[in-house]
Amino acid sequence: AQSVTQLGSHVSVSEGALVLLRCNYSSSVPPYLFWYVQYPNQGLQLLLKYTSAATLVKGINGFEAEFKKSETSFHLTKPSAHMSDAAEYFCAVSDRGGNKLVFGAGTILRVKS
Amino acid sequence: GAGVSQSPRYKVAKRGQDVALRCDPISGHVSLFWYQQALGQGPEFLTYFQNEAQLDKSGLPSDRFFAERPEGSVSTLKIQRTQQEDSAVYLCASSRDRGRSETQYFGPGTRLLVL
Repeated sequence: AQSVTQLGSHVSVSEGALVLLRCNYSSSVPPYLFWYVQYPNQGLQLLLKYTSAATLVKGINGFEAEFKKSETSFHLTKPSAHMSDAAEYFCAVSDRGGNKLVFGAGTILRVKS
Repeated sequence: GAGVSQSPRYKVAKRGQDVALRCDPISGHVSLFWYQQALGQGPEFLTYFQNEAQLDKSGLPSDRFFAERPEGSVSTLKIQRTQQEDSAVYLCASSRDRGRSETQYFGPGTRLLVL
């Protein structure tokens, strides 16, 4: 079965600092991985996804993630945090049959001025 | 273009009442998903439709939960005899096609509070 672990339920960074949100996955098949962002009282918005092409994936709003098979990781990074990045971030893996996404518990990102 | 819409956005129900939550997917999207998001947690899968066919309902927590998509477009999630533990945000998502790499587009959710 597929599963996702997000290390750190809360991450706090200063504006302009590096953002690093951690995601480790478990999958019985080659994984397809997704990062979504959720702003208060809104649905989830796709930031980026890995679908077995390039291991470094670039997404919207300056975010990127690197797929590392040896570490079973798909960490999300952004070189310089902006106040508007404050939100909750979810990592997800597609299940074996493509019928659903399996989500991690989420990481709340706080950006300090 | 129009995204996934859900209604109502907020619903307060007394314990024991039946509720119906509506999802309008992106036009032409084949796949439709329902997820339940409890406070402070990630979304958890409830059920999946491909057109009008409900192919996976393994995530429905009890037989009080029922979903349909009769014409392969709009979907309704119905919860009978609501309980306090049903309080959560119910998210609907749609994707253009079936497949593990397909992007799911999410609606804003319906926040259900059962008193």
